[in-house]
Amino acid sequence: GENVEQHPSTLSVQEGDSAVIKCTYSDSASNYFPWYKQELGKRPQLIIDIRSNVGEKKDQRIAVTLNKTAKHFSLHITETQPEDSAVYFCAASISSVNRDDKIIFGKGTRLHILP
Amino acid sequence: GAGVSQTPSNKVTEKGKYVELRCDPISGHTALYWYRQSLGQGPEFLIYFQGTGAADDSGLPNDRFFAVRPEGSVSTLKIQRTERGDSAVYLCASSSGQSNEQFFGPGTRLTVL
Repeated sequence: GENVEQHPSTLSVQEGDSAVIKCTYSDSASNYFPWYKQELGKRPQLIIDIRSNVGEKKDQRIAVTLNKTAKHFSLHITETQPEDSAVYFCAASISSVNRDDKIIFGKGTRLHILP
Repeated sequence: GAGVSQTPSNKVTEKGKYVELRCDPISGHTALYWYRQSLGQGPEFLIYFQGTGAADDSGLPNDRFFAVRPEGSVSTLKIQRTERGDSAVYLCASSSGQSNEQFFGPGTRLTVL
């Protein structure tokens, strides 16, 4: 079955700097890659997602890149702010536009934004 | 509109007891998922419903775990003969089948003493 590896497990960056989280997946059939942010004691919330037919997607300070050949995808957060501190999960799924499927999550990256 | 809701928010039980955890998905969402999240880990897939039927139950750890969704809306996750290793936050999510985005509930924190 699908396996998603995520690193680093912990990341500390100075406020205003960029943060990068990297993931790899094992199942070449995976075609949907969401990223979730989870604050302490809260539910996971989708922050950005990408499908396999594109290589990059950007939403304000957040961008995700996908390399299907290498089965790598990454989250980039620029101009980090204190409210970016949270645990971030990458995930992979075999989903089509009209059919959802289970999501396999990485183990998470705890991001600390230092003042 | 209302998001995904789960009850109870916390459940403490003794080893060997039976528990039921409930999930109310977003109205109209056809797909419903159960995940389990242990401390410091990512959500782990358990089971997924498309309508009333279980489309994929490959993540259920053993036959003590069972889930139903009899009317295609509310779902109940049932755990028999609970063990201390079952302690975790049980998350429910739903999706509309149109965008792939899964919306999560607040979770039920299960503690087995």
